[in-house]
Amino acid sequence: EIVLTQSPGTLSLSPGERATLSCRASQTVYNNYLAWYQQKPGQAPRLLIYGASRRATGIPDRFSGSGSGTDFTLIISRLEPEDFALYYCQQYGSSPPLLIFGPGTKVDIK
Amino acid sequence: QVQLQESGPGLLKPSGTLSLTCAVSGGSISTDNWWSWVRQPPGMGLEWIGEIFHSGSTNYNPSLKSRVTLSVDKSKNQFSLNLTSVTAADTAVYYCARSGYYCLEVWGKGTTVTVSS
Repeated sequence: EIVLTQSPGTLSLSPGERATLSCRASQTVYNNYLAWYQQKPGQAPRLLIYGASRRATGIPDRFSGSGSGTDFTLIISRLEPEDFALYYCQQYGSSPPLLIFGPGTKVDIK
Repeated sequence: QVQLQESGPGLLKPSGTLSLTCAVSGGSISTDNWWSWVRQPPGMGLEWIGEIFHSGSTNYNPSLKSRVTLSVDKSKNQFSLNLTSVTAADTAVYYCARSGYYCLEVWGKGTTVTVSS
């Protein structure tokens, strides 16, 4: 079973700064089926990126995803106040079908 | 626009069975999407429980497979989760979600379930 590791655990930045979040898989992610979610306190997760680099509907273009194989990155180009939240990566494995989440990266205000 | 709403008891006793329902509105459950359950213990990360297709086909997380049953009721446009032999470790916010391109693209708001005697 694939294990996802996210780093750093916490990222302390100021509004306007660039955030770089990493997600590393213990094995190659099948077909780069890697997604990113944002979660704010008391809310459900919101899909940001799927297929490693495709933005979900309504997601601002300051969010971008990249990577392949075992190493993936979520970049927030310029942090807005509403971007301070938890971010999870998720991969889909095909045999057996299984969704696995990473432990999350918290982006907080410096 | 599809919306999902979880419902069910908020408090359970240990060894009981957790039963939750997810009502789908704004669209049909009989689409090419799979429908998932995810849970999040207090202060912890996300755990996928399993998914169901409108035909009744299912996929489960191996770690929970022995205790989980998912079902679908197309006439009511809803799907359900049963989790047996619950313990305090099953205390969590439970979310239902609609699968998209190998991800979860639409989520319900979640419902809190506490297991306590």
